[in-house]
Amino acid sequence: GQQLNQSPQSMFIQEGEDVSMNCTSSSIFNTWLWYKQDPGEGPVLLIALYKAGELTSNGRLTAQFGITRKDSFLNISASIPSDVGIYFCAGSKQGETSGSRLTFGEGTQLTVNP
Amino acid sequence: DAGITQSPRHKVTETGTPVTLRCHQTENHRYMYWYRQDPGHGLRLIHYSYGVKDTDKGEVSDGYSVSRSKTEDFLLTLESATSSQTSVYFCAISKRDISEAFFGQGTRLTVV
Repeated sequence: GQQLNQSPQSMFIQEGEDVSMNCTSSSIFNTWLWYKQDPGEGPVLLIALYKAGELTSNGRLTAQFGITRKDSFLNISASIPSDVGIYFCAGSKQGETSGSRLTFGEGTQLTVNP
Repeated sequence: DAGITQSPRHKVTETGTPVTLRCHQTENHRYMYWYRQDPGHGLRLIHYSYGVKDTDKGEVSDGYSVSRSKTEDFLLTLESATSSQTSVYFCAISKRDISEAFFGQGTRLTVV
């Protein structure tokens, strides 16, 4: 099936540093979503993007929907220890009966050293 | 948690036995989904539902069936569990097409 290429696979950073991760696809998506998952928990939605070129912020998080509709990136500014976790990108294609059928990237494991 | 309850949270079962996982939502959302999460594969869609008694296959549907007799409940059944179905299973819901999807806390299933 189709895949999203998410990079990097893992990051080790110091508290206070900025983080950037991205997702690319060979096909077009109408929606890009970014999730965070803590150990033993389900993914939690961080940001949703619906328009090509859209730039959206949620606190220290900023995400952009690529103009080609085939990519998206997530930035985290001034990282803190609670940012630790796995970050997933997900793409969705529009469809009345398909709802939010999401294709996920493999995730970026973020470690923040105090 | 967006009003989603998965049960059981953990289960160990033997190869060849049937297993049913339940997802219950209190949000009255139209769409419900079952995903599995495995190392190296991220989350992959098994089946989804776009209304009561309306279901369709996802990317990895072989060996699984689903049923949705009420808006609030979506059941995932493994008719004859295999070791390859050892995974963490997540239920998700969304209100409408191209809407955000919200996930439950997951069910860890081990098939021995």
